[in-house]
Amino acid sequence: GAVVSQHPSRVICKSGTSVKIECRSLDFQATTMFWYRQFPKQSLMLMATSNEGSKATYEQGVEKDKFLINHASLTLSTLTVTSAHPEDSSFYICSARAQNRFTGELFFGEGSRLTVL
Amino acid sequence: KNEVEQSPQNLTAQEGEFITINCSYSVGISALHWLQQHPGGGIVSLFMLSSGKKKHGRLIATINIQEKHSSLHITASHPRDSAVYICAFSPGGSEKLVFGKGTKLTVNP
Repeated sequence: GAVVSQHPSRVICKSGTSVKIECRSLDFQATTMFWYRQFPKQSLMLMATSNEGSKATYEQGVEKDKFLINHASLTLSTLTVTSAHPEDSSFYICSARAQNRFTGELFFGEGSRLTVL
Repeated sequence: KNEVEQSPQNLTAQEGEFITINCSYSVGISALHWLQQHPGGGIVSLFMLSSGKKKHGRLIATINIQEKHSSLHITASHPRDSAVYICAFSPGGSEKLVFGKGTKLTVNP
């Protein structure tokens, strides 16, 4: 099956620093990738939809200047948490929609646990 | 308002038991997904369905569009099935997913 690789799986950073999380589709092209956030014991919440070659679409309440998304190629999208604060500590996970042989199925990365001190 | 309700929230079973997890939603959908989230957080997509029934190994997913209800069944459950199972749907005409809160399944040996 298709694989989505997400890196890093865990990151601890100091308040005020920026953290970049990568999401790669390893064996398929993904024109659309999705970024989600999950707080402990809560549902996944969509943060933004990332489209290759264009600006991301952010959900209501998600600050686009704080959560920078870049989808520069058909296999890579990045999420940068800028000037991170402790309240940004969460589990971030991406998914990619396959456009070729997997006919629109969604594949998820392993997630990245961010802890901001 | 898009809503999805899962039941039960928590489920404990003995190895070998037949498991059913239910999902109800309130709007028209284009597809419904069943996902498995492991303790480490990683998510695996189990099924994507828009009608009828799908089977993969010991897992079976059904959906009734008229009743806006889907079920995930696990036959001959095993401790390795222990995980959180999440129902998610794409509202009609949208690519976005709306997620349920998940059902935490624990299968004891």
